[in-house]
This record gives sequence, structure tokens and C-alpha cells, in this order.
Amino acid sequence: SAVISQKPSRDICQRGTSLTIQCQVDSQVTMMFWYRQQPGQSLTLIATANQGSEATYESGFVIDKFPISRPNLTFSTLTVSNMSPEDSSIYLCSVGPSGASSYEQYFGPGTRLTVT
Amino acid sequence: GQQVMQIPQYQHVQEGEDFTTYCNSSTTLSNIQWYKQRPGGHPVFLIQLVKSGEVKKQKRLTFQFGEAKKNSSLHITATQTTDVGTYFCAGRTGGFKTIFGAGTRLFVKA
Repeated sequence: SAVISQKPSRDICQRGTSLTIQCQVDSQVTMMFWYRQQPGQSLTLIATANQGSEATYESGFVIDKFPISRPNLTFSTLTVSNMSPEDSSIYLCSVGPSGASSYEQYFGPGTRLTVT
Repeated sequence: GQQVMQIPQYQHVQEGEDFTTYCNSSTTLSNIQWYKQRPGGHPVFLIQLVKSGEVKKQKRLTFQFGEAKKNSSLHITATQTTDVGTYFCAGRTGGFKTIFGAGTRLFVKA
């Protein structure tokens, strides 16, 4: 299984500012995803980070608000732009699947964001 | 849109009692996965089911995939305090997108 690290682990930010979250994987992976998880809630997919091309965003999420970069197969960033208190959440980087018949996903430790 | 429903939302059990969480999809799934998230932690992959009617066991955990590939269950026999956490099912209809259920939060009283 892949080992995933995220930075920062947590942050408290003022509204109107932006925060960039980094995700580093210890091996090359094809699929990388960004999720958001409100406290006590399920995981909501924000976008699929595509290497060498624009990310694919889910309904309700737009590039201007959540720009994503994926310069190579081991690294991605998610920026939360012009933050408001509603953006307070845990943001999780995920990778997977690992093969044609393996569908599991592995998650980073998450970034806990609080917007004041 | 595609949904994966999961019940119950939470359950309190006495240590030693059994526990089951159920997952239902509005559409046929190509596969289903189960994850466990400990309090304060991140989701950790437990298992994947692919075949219709498939049953898999991991020690005290039994996972089932329905014949129609629209539902699944996770059963824990004789719960322990280490089983505490939220259990998520996650399904795919195809492609690369995985839809997560709302999760079932398990509380175990010693």
C-alpha cells in the first residue's frame, strides 16, 4: 500500500485568505483524489487530480475555488481559495486503485482546516 | 444521482455483542469496498468485494456482497473496544469514481 503524507496537518486561517495543501506519495500512482470530510460526516469527492492536465471536478466544486496541481505521479496540491467559515473541514488526499482488479483507495492523514 | 445509503447511522453495543451495518445502492455496483475510520484518524481500507454473492471473512469481520450487487453488509462478531470507529462502504458503478456511504459509527461499551 502507498504511504501518503500531507502538509500542513492543520491550520487556522482568516476568511478571505487561501491555503495550499500538499500531498506526497512514496510511489508513483495513476489516480489521485481530493476529498472533503465535515466532522462526523462522510467523504465528499472534490476532484480527481490528473497528471499533466486539468483536474476533473465533481458537481458543486469549481477550479476557481479549489485549484489543483499535479506536476508528477507522486505529488499534488489543493488550494482552498478565498476561504469562508463554510470551508472549515478536513481535506484528504487519496490514491488508488493500484491495479486492474484492485479498487481500494488509500488516504493521507488529512489536513484539518479551520476558517475564522 | 447515484447514491449509496448506509444504515444505521450509529450503534451502541456492549462489548461482546455483535454488530452489523448495511449498505444499499440505487444502481448496480461493479464492486464495493469497506473502510474503517478511527476517531481522529483517516479512512483505512478493509476489503473489496467484486463478485455477486461474495462472502469474505477477516477474523471476526464478515463481509457480504448481494446477489444483485446492489447491497452489502459488514458483520462483526463479539465486538471489542478496538472495533470502535466509523465504518464506510464505498461503491463503484464503473469508471474511477467511488461513492462513499454516510458511514455507521460504532460505539462499544466495555
